[in-house]
Amino acid sequence: GAVVSQHPSRVICKSGTSVKIECRSLDFQATTMFWYRQFPKQSLMLMATSNEGSKATYEQGVEKDKFLINHASLTLSTLTVTSAHPEDSSFYICSAPPRSGSTDTQYFGPGTRLTVL
Amino acid sequence: AQSVTQLDSQVPVFEEAPVELRCNYSSSVSVYLFWYVQYPNQGLQLLLKYLSGSTLVKGINGFEAEFNKSQTSFHLRKPSVHISDTAEYFCAVSAGGFQKLVFGTGTRLLVSP
Repeated sequence: GAVVSQHPSRVICKSGTSVKIECRSLDFQATTMFWYRQFPKQSLMLMATSNEGSKATYEQGVEKDKFLINHASLTLSTLTVTSAHPEDSSFYICSAPPRSGSTDTQYFGPGTRLTVL
Repeated sequence: AQSVTQLDSQVPVFEEAPVELRCNYSSSVSVYLFWYVQYPNQGLQLLLKYLSGSTLVKGINGFEAEFNKSQTSFHLRKPSVHISDTAEYFCAVSAGGFQKLVFGTGTRLLVSP
């Protein structure tokens, strides 16, 4: 089946630094990827929709200058948390629909736990 | 726009007992419905989905769910739970495969011996 990977799985950084998280579709091409954030004991909230070859679409309340998204190829989307602060500590999960036009479910990556000290 | 309500934040149950996790949704358009399970510090795993057709959907690990359009519900059931079913369960809706998923707040299933 379709597989989505994320790297790193866990990252700890100092406040003020930038962190890049990669999301890859391993055996299919994904023109669209979604980035979610999950705070402890809470649900997943969509942050943005990443589109290959065009600008990402951000949900209301998400700072696009803070959470930079680059969908450079059909198998890779990156999320960069710029000037991270402790309140950015969260579990970040990406997902991708398996193929163009599919009504099937999205496939989720295993998540990246970010801790900002 | 779609929304999902999971009224039960936590459901404690004894091993081998039946369980039902409730999910209600609202939408102005036809939706696809999903249940996902999340184990601690892990991503989401699809349990089952309703796209169309039979309203009773069977998924992995012995779970099933029934789509009820009149009650806008998609409750998850399992006739006999195991300790290993202890996890967080999320109900989600989507307007289509390329559309974003809207998640409920999750229900923590706690199975004890």
